[in-house]
Parts: sequence; structure tokens; C-alpha cells
Amino acid sequence: DVKVTQSSRYLVKRTGEKVFLECVQDMDHENMFWYRQDPGLGLRLIYFSYDVKMKEKGDIPEGYSVSREKKERFSLILESASTNQTSMYLCASSLDGMQGYTFGSGTRLTVV
Amino acid sequence: DQQVKQNSPSLSVQEGRISILNCDYTNSMFDYFLWYKKYPAEGPTFLISISSIKDKNEDGRFTVFLNKSAKHLSLHIVPSQPGDSAVYFCAASLVDSGYALNFGKGTSLLVTP
Repeated sequence: DVKVTQSSRYLVKRTGEKVFLECVQDMDHENMFWYRQDPGLGLRLIYFSYDVKMKEKGDIPEGYSVSREKKERFSLILESASTNQTSMYLCASSLDGMQGYTFGSGTRLTVV
Repeated sequence: DQQVKQNSPSLSVQEGRISILNCDYTNSMFDYFLWYKKYPAEGPTFLISISSIKDKNEDGRFTVFLNKSAKHLSLHIVPSQPGDSAVYFCAASLVDSGYALNFGKGTSLLVTP
């Protein structure tokens, strides 16, 4: 079974802090993704990567950056956390379109 | 602009009956369509998918139907069970975009005993 592991289940950070969300997958998948889930808005794509050191902006990249130095690890960075970034963050990896994604359990981030 | 739409935020069905969850999309170039199921405090789990060249895919109690002319797909669950109660997300992907998925806003299904 593919495993996608997100380092924290719950995080509380202060406004203006730099925040790192880590994600590791163990199945040699090329593609990795970061989404946020908010009530009434569904899942929105922040950034994705289809190879090491490659990154592509999703639908809502503002205020975020990413890093993919190794194939198995994809980090989401909030450069200066703001209260409107309070959300559930979901990391996923995939091999191809038909098999879909494997998601991590999510990180519930609260910015105060 | 949302390219994948789930217009019903919630659905309630009796145990044993059929659940039908609907999804509409606007981009005729999508290559794959997928359904995910999500329980609270967990990540979504992949349920079933269909290629744009097919019109039906079946996996046990779950069947997905694709109507390309109407840009519509649906997920049928027969028979529905209380454990099926969850939020269901419809999603679509383009091969050219690295399989990045466009998700709908989700439909919350409640299966009552």
C-alpha cells in the first residue's frame, strides 16, 4: 500500500511565522500535490510537482511556496502565515491519472 | 472558475437503497474522472475512476457513468450502507497538466438505517 505521510496532524502558528508542512511518500511516485480543504469550497490545488526540483502553480499559490529536493519529499512553505491560511492541508502523490491520488491524513493548521 | 461542479451539497438515503451522486464539468478536454470518499479528520480515499473514452465503470457496489455530450457523470452506490456515509468528491484531470485534479465542492451522503 502506498503511504503518504504528513509530519503533523495539528499545528498552531502565529501570524507572520514561517511555516513548513512536510510530506513524504514511499512508492516512488513522480507526481506530488498540495491542496487545502475549506468548508463549502472543496479541495483547491495550491502547488504540484511532477519531478524533482520541478514545481507548478495550482489555482491558489499566493502566499505559498514549495520545495522538492528529493523525489519522495514535497514541502509546502507559508512564507508569512496569515489567519486566512487557517485550513486543512492535504498532500497527495500519484503515479498516473487512472489510479488517482493517494492522500495523506492531512494537517489541520490554525494561524492565530 | 470552477470546472467541476457538484450542485447538491447533501443527500440522504435509506440503507439498502440506491445512492446517486451527480457531477457536472465544463472542460471537454478532461481525460479522467474520479470519485473520492472522505471521512472527517482523514484524507480522501480513491474510490473509482473512468477514462473519458468509456461511458461506464463498475467496481462492486460502485458504478460510475459518464455522459460526455452532457458533460455529466454520476456515481451509483447499490445497495447503500451506513458505512458509506461520508463526503464524496468528484474530480477530473488532464494528462497535460501532470494529472493535477480539479475537484468539486463535495456532496455529503448520509445513509440512514
